[in-house]
Amino acid sequence: AQTVTQSQPEMSVQEAETVTLSCTYDTSESDYYLFWYKQPPSRQMILVIRQEAYKQQNATENRFSVNFQKAAKSFSLKISDSQLGDAAMYFCAYRGSKGGGADGLTFGKGTHLIIQP
Amino acid sequence: KAGVTQTPRYLIKTRGQQVTLSCSPISGHRSVSWYQQTPGQGLQFLFEYFSETQRNKGNFPGRFSGRQFSNSRSEMNVSTLELGDSALYLCASSLPGTQYFGPGTRLTVL
Repeated sequence: AQTVTQSQPEMSVQEAETVTLSCTYDTSESDYYLFWYKQPPSRQMILVIRQEAYKQQNATENRFSVNFQKAAKSFSLKISDSQLGDAAMYFCAYRGSKGGGADGLTFGKGTHLIIQP
Repeated sequence: KAGVTQTPRYLIKTRGQQVTLSCSPISGHRSVSWYQQTPGQGLQFLFEYFSETQRNKGNFPGRFSGRQFSNSRSEMNVSTLELGDSALYLCASSLPGTQYFGPGTRLTVL
């Protein structure tokens, strides 16, 4: 079974600074998807960024970028120019591609990101 | 496009009752997944439906069931509620590869 590990339960960063959230995963599959989701206090789960394992290029979305190291099974999220609105729980998630991904997403335990004004 | 909608947003039930939650996916999405989120267990996969067929189910007892209709709307049902079923239930609709979540239904079992 796949597992996703987020080793940082909580991170704090000053507004406008850069922060990196860590995620490692374990899988025997070669083709899969990785995601970062953000869950603010409203509890709405918001997709931040996605990475397809077959793509070597790291995904970027505005201030958000990932460092995807397939051999190391590592998938970290970098947030540049942190803003107060970035404060939330961040979840790393894995989805295999076998069976059309019917196993659903496997989530890490989450990292609580605090933005200090 | 409208996002994923879930109804109701909040529910309070008592032990032994049953409950039905509803999810309408994003227009054009045929796959719907359900997740349970609790402080202790985190986010756990319940089941996934595609074209009215359950494709997979997570490690939950048979009290948890679901279905999907021809318009892709999905319902999940929990029978004989237990205190431990108190949770946020999230529905997600997807294109291949990416899931988009609804706002969730907060279920409290007293």
